[in-house]
Amino acid sequence: DAGITQSPRHKVTETGTPVTLRCHQTENHRYMYWYRQDPGHGLRLIHYSYGVKDTDKGEVSDGYSVSRSKTEDFLLTLESATSSQTSVYFCAISEAGTGVEKLFFGSGTQLSVL
Amino acid sequence: AQSVAQPEDQVNVAEGNPLTVKCTYSVSGNPYLFWYVQYPNRGLQFLLKYITGDNLVKGSYGFEAEFNKSQTSFHLKKPSALVSDSALYFCAVRDSSGNTGKLIFGQGTTLQVKP
Repeated sequence: DAGITQSPRHKVTETGTPVTLRCHQTENHRYMYWYRQDPGHGLRLIHYSYGVKDTDKGEVSDGYSVSRSKTEDFLLTLESATSSQTSVYFCAISEAGTGVEKLFFGSGTQLSVL
Repeated sequence: AQSVAQPEDQVNVAEGNPLTVKCTYSVSGNPYLFWYVQYPNRGLQFLLKYITGDNLVKGSYGFEAEFNKSQTSFHLKKPSALVSDSALYFCAVRDSSGNTGKLIFGQGTTLQVKP
């Protein structure tokens, strides 16, 4: 399995509080992604990064921000959590452009916003 | 814009029977197509991919997928299902807007294999 660690694995928080999810990789892959998984929607891309301090928005980026200060860490922040952000969040990594055209996923973070 | 559709929320099959999980796609240009599997409380695991070449792609755990350009389909198949194949399956297409590796996922299909 690819070396991807997500923390925390579970989080319960209240509406309006800030929340940060962490993704740590030991593979030295250039690309990192944050997806959310919701029933009936599959996985939807929130943000992604193509290098240190290089990030871009995905299809559902409103209410989320990200940071990547080191190759191995990609942080997802909910500035003011809302109930609609209750979801399972997955981090993924890849070496896009090298011919290894696949994503490796972490085990996910279950976030509940009450 | 690229997209994939999985028309079945759930597929039920008896152990030992062949299984098919359907996927159709819409892309501009050549498609890069993938299948992933998710077991309960786990992240997604790569099964197989189609980039170019043979229309029949073989992957992990005895799965294969058939690329059909005229029908814009990429159905996942296995000749003989196992109870342990029960899981959530996702079809995906690579986003062609730049070489960023982003994948666009279908809604997912739950495969239930009964003994």
